[in-house]
Amino acid sequence: EVQLVESGGGLVQPGGSLRLSCAASGFTFSSYAMSWVRQAPGKGLEWVSAISGRSGDNTYYADSVKGRFTISRDNSKNTLYLQMDSLRAEDTAVYFCAKDRGNGGGSVFDVWGRGSLVTVSS
Amino acid sequence: DIVMTQSPDSLAVSLGERATINCKSSQSVLYNSYNKNYLAWYQQKPGQPPKLLIYWASTRESGVPDRFSGSGSGTDFTLTISSLQAEDVAIYYCQHYYTTPWTFGQGTRLEIK
Repeated sequence: EVQLVESGGGLVQPGGSLRLSCAASGFTFSSYAMSWVRQAPGKGLEWVSAISGRSGDNTYYADSVKGRFTISRDNSKNTLYLQMDSLRAEDTAVYFCAKDRGNGGGSVFDVWGRGSLVTVSS
Repeated sequence: DIVMTQSPDSLAVSLGERATINCKSSQSVLYNSYNKNYLAWYQQKPGQPPKLLIYWASTRESGVPDRFSGSGSGTDFTLTISSLQAEDVAIYYCQHYYTTPWTFGQGTRLEIK
């Protein structure tokens, strides 16, 4: 079964850091680009960051997180990461890990994790 | 950035009737070289992650019932549910994947009338 399981969320103070992990199983993780997508409470979906498949040489970020968040992957552990620094209240959201379908071109997300809640508050 | 705007924000349809959701992009998401529209549709039920329904504007994902269909090209797209079922109550999002940042519409909440 293809599965993504996020972990690492929690409560953090403004200006703090957190690292999310996403454990993948049931598919050849290294072959696919991966993304993080977030959803603030009661709000819509916002793409956050993506990393290319294979070596993960190419990374992409939304302007709202550029310079503060870092995406990475460890293909030997089938795991995707999101390092979040200088967190702000507006970063409060459920963070979903999502797999690229592999169509070519930009990312269509065919597999999603259940999400990890990040709350930034003092 | 490409802005995706959905209409309506919410919709109530009777069981068995047709539901239509619109999505408009601020610029064309048609990649002329491939003649493909870089547009996807997702369904999100409460407490669940989104589920991919449609990609390339009109290609149904495996396992998605054929009552779901997508159409449109360029900047104007439509998701149609031909005969609404109770399990279709959800929020529906369009998403372009033409260029980063990939953006979503604000969502359309679909309910039973």
